Amino acid sequence: EPEVTQTPSHQVTQMGQEVILRCVPISNHLYFYWYRQILGQKVEFLVSFYNNEISEKSEIFDDQFSVERPDGSNFTLKIRSTKLEDSAMYFCASSDLGGPQPDTQYFGPGTRLTVL
Amino acid sequence: AQSVTQLGSHVSVSEGALVLLRCNYSSSVPPYLFWYVQYPNQGLQLLLKYTSAATLVKGINGFEAEFKKSETSFHLTKPSAHMSDAAEYFCAVSPDTGGGNKLTFGTGTQLKVEL
Repeated sequence: EPEVTQTPSHQVTQMGQEVILRCVPISNHLYFYWYRQILGQKVEFLVSFYNNEISEKSEIFDDQFSVERPDGSNFTLKIRSTKLEDSAMYFCASSDLGGPQPDTQYFGPGTRLTVL
Repeated sequence: AQSVTQLGSHVSVSEGALVLLRCNYSSSVPPYLFWYVQYPNQGLQLLLKYTSAATLVKGINGFEAEFKKSETSFHLTKPSAHMSDAAEYFCAVSPDTGGGNKLTFGTGTQLKVEL
């Protein structure tokens, strides 16, 4: 069964450094998402992306964050200058445009980001 | 704005006992509701979803949930717990079907299954 993959599984960085989290969505999906989960808190929506544009973003997704689909398979989340409070598990998800399951988002295993 | 509330951050049941995980929603529009499960070191996996068709929804691994508008609830149940059901369960709500709609999650319920 197709699945969403994410790399790396764990990233440790120093405060102020830039990080790029990578995701490979399911190949025929056209909607892409990033969520995050700070330890002990709920999973929070960050951004959705469709047709090379941001569809929706949350208040969390400020100017420090950016997303990109650099090629036909990858979807990335960049944090320009990491803060301690960016430490979290980051989940990528993708969904189909139509078909039988357009409302189902398929999640990757997550990248645990630790900012020191 | 939409939100979901999951009562009980930790639930413990005996193997073979009924599993009941509670979720209540708040929404100004007809909600679309989901239950996801997260096993250790894995991503979120969809268990089942309600998208305004049948109010009783059956999912994978023997789980089901019933949408009750009068109670604004979407509780998850399984008649007989198995050790392999131990995981974290998340209820989520979306404003619409179709691609691109964000999910708003609850805080999750950790299910422990004891012998």
